[in-house]
Amino acid sequence: KQEVTQIPAALSVPEGENLVLNCSFTDSAIYNLQWFRQDPGKGLTSLLLIQSSQREQTSGRLNASLDKSSGRSTLYIAASQPGDSATYLCAVRRGAQKLVFGQGTRLTINP
Amino acid sequence: DVKVTQSSRYLVKRTGEKVFLECVQDMDHENMFWYRQDPGLGLRLIYFSYDVKMKEKGDIPEGYSVSREKKERFSLILESASTNQTSMYLCASSLPGQGTSYEQYFGPGTRLTVT
Repeated sequence: KQEVTQIPAALSVPEGENLVLNCSFTDSAIYNLQWFRQDPGKGLTSLLLIQSSQREQTSGRLNASLDKSSGRSTLYIAASQPGDSATYLCAVRRGAQKLVFGQGTRLTINP
Repeated sequence: DVKVTQSSRYLVKRTGEKVFLECVQDMDHENMFWYRQDPGLGLRLIYFSYDVKMKEKGDIPEGYSVSREKKERFSLILESASTNQTSMYLCASSLPGQGTSYEQYFGPGTRLTVT
């Protein structure tokens, strides 16, 4: 059974710092991995999707990497801003259609 | 932009009521999903549909049913609501198959309280 873990559960950093969020999964047979952002009380916004054959994806200040063999992904956020404060979730695609989610890292950027 | 909308942001129902949660997407996606999100348990898949009138159970289907009569609309039904179904419900849609097109797009969520 695929399990996805995100550590730490919460992270607080000063504005301007670069930071890394971690995601690990137990079964390396994945189709892809997706990073989402969730603001309090809201739905999920897709940030980046990495196919199983890819090593990384970039969008603006965000860079996501994937190491399938070790079952790990990281989300790097450069020059953090208070508007980046949110919960970040990773999810791996298993089987034909299903995503398995981690429990998220709650990120706070302090001005 | 893909848009996924859900019929209500907040809903309060009584135990035993029949509850309908509706989801509509405007991007002609084949796949639609219903999740619930609870503190400490994360997002869990209830049901998904890969075509009109087609459905498949997710990880926690007990106490729920679904209906997909039109491609753009996917309904979650609580036949007899119970307090343990108090949760945030999230709908999502996606294109089918593998490839970079397979991103799941989520709606804003419905926070359901059953009293």
